[in-house]
Amino acid sequence: GAGVSQTPSNKVTEKGKYVELRCDPISGHTALYWYRQSLGQGPEFLIYFQGTGAADDSGLPNDRFFAVRPEGSVSTLKIQRTERGDSAVYLCASSKGAGGSYEQYFGPGTRLTVT
Amino acid sequence: EDQVTQSPEALRLQEGESSSLNCSYTVSGLRGLFWYRQDPGKGPEFLFTLYSAGEEKEKERLKATLTKKESFLHITAPKPEDSATYLCAVNRAQKLVFGQGTRLTINP
Repeated sequence: GAGVSQTPSNKVTEKGKYVELRCDPISGHTALYWYRQSLGQGPEFLIYFQGTGAADDSGLPNDRFFAVRPEGSVSTLKIQRTERGDSAVYLCASSKGAGGSYEQYFGPGTRLTVT
Repeated sequence: EDQVTQSPEALRLQEGESSSLNCSYTVSGLRGLFWYRQDPGKGPEFLFTLYSAGEEKEKERLKATLTKKESFLHITAPKPEDSATYLCAVNRAQKLVFGQGTRLTINP
């Protein structure tokens, strides 16, 4: 079956611009996660959704970052006034439910470069 | 604070040369330790979940084990296609806390 998909695969933007990153989870998965991965590091948690609501957004670095999941499926991560430090790979994952017994399956990521 | 530390950072082996990767963790109330494989330019691929000390899981040339303080990923007679970065993570309130990964290279 189809896995987690993310678009675009690459995004280059200028400092100060607004970007949107999209995630399509595995069909039927109720939990959706966003992580950010810098070169040579493991992924770092940003936010997760259970259904339509953000259950935990404690990893969002500041108020320039926002994410939505209006219908409980597709999610969009939005970054305002981008900075060069936002450059990283943004990973999305989904799972059947929230909790340690559910494996998280990752998409291929969106590589964001802020120039 | 929950922490995950992986060692070594990088490991080069000859094809067929078995070895182990280490993942040390500190977490209050383990709710699962996860191993992932990540190829360059791709997202992490799920390998194993371990829940309690003494648990072991195997998949092809890989075997993961768990103690109260660390997990090992044993690689037996590796092949060049096993080259990748291996990540471990612990579950903390439904989110994963990852180590920095071990970059494994298997030379033919």
